[in-house]
Amino acid sequence: DAKTTQPPSMDCAEGRAANLPCNHSTISGNEYVYWYRQIHSQGPQYIIHGLKNNETNEMASLIITEDRKSSTLILPHATLRDTAVYYCIVRVAHGSSNTGKLIFGQGTTLQVKP
Amino acid sequence: EAGVAQSPRYKIIEKRQSVAFWCNPISGHATLYWYQQILGQGPKLLIQFQNNGVVDDSQLPKDRFSAERLKGVDSTLKIQPAKLEDSAVYLCASSPSRQSYEQYFGPGTRLTVT
Repeated sequence: DAKTTQPPSMDCAEGRAANLPCNHSTISGNEYVYWYRQIHSQGPQYIIHGLKNNETNEMASLIITEDRKSSTLILPHATLRDTAVYYCIVRVAHGSSNTGKLIFGQGTTLQVKP
Repeated sequence: EAGVAQSPRYKIIEKRQSVAFWCNPISGHATLYWYQQILGQGPKLLIQFQNNGVVDDSQLPKDRFSAERLKGVDSTLKIQPAKLEDSAVYLCASSPSRQSYEQYFGPGTRLTVT
């Protein structure tokens, strides 16, 4: 079972920041938070991941609370092309002997509106 | 760099028939994954290969599903016989290793069983 909880849907105005929350209250010390998104009729796409520090790349920012029990994915200037299902996933540290398995929940459907 | 290739993109079969899906991962990627995504749900891992060996097939219904990755490159997933509940999108993903932080997904094969 997925170890995360996300709202089923959110709307965002084009050009505004989209803030997608995720709860992962049972996260362990060696588990990372990953975000993927899935645009309609495509396979999922990796966005970003982090352990405890905030992370930023060309696609998004990831803010993880100090207790690591929740996080927020931020798309700074949402466009219509960002309309997708966003998955928050907790995954065992990728430097360990884990299998690399991603356990997807149902995600948040983000609708960016003009 | 070419992405993960899958074929066919769409397949319609009747129940009790057999079907096969093909995946060609990104060149050099040692780890290959097959996921099943039922409409409205997140992808669920069916089987994971490391080179030509199976790492995890705990979620694979072995009475009807089989998969192989001969020579550690491309892979086929077979269903025989198909059931109505097998209607789903079958996604293939690959990564350089099972410790890699990013999985690269193909576009998927949409299977409809009537």
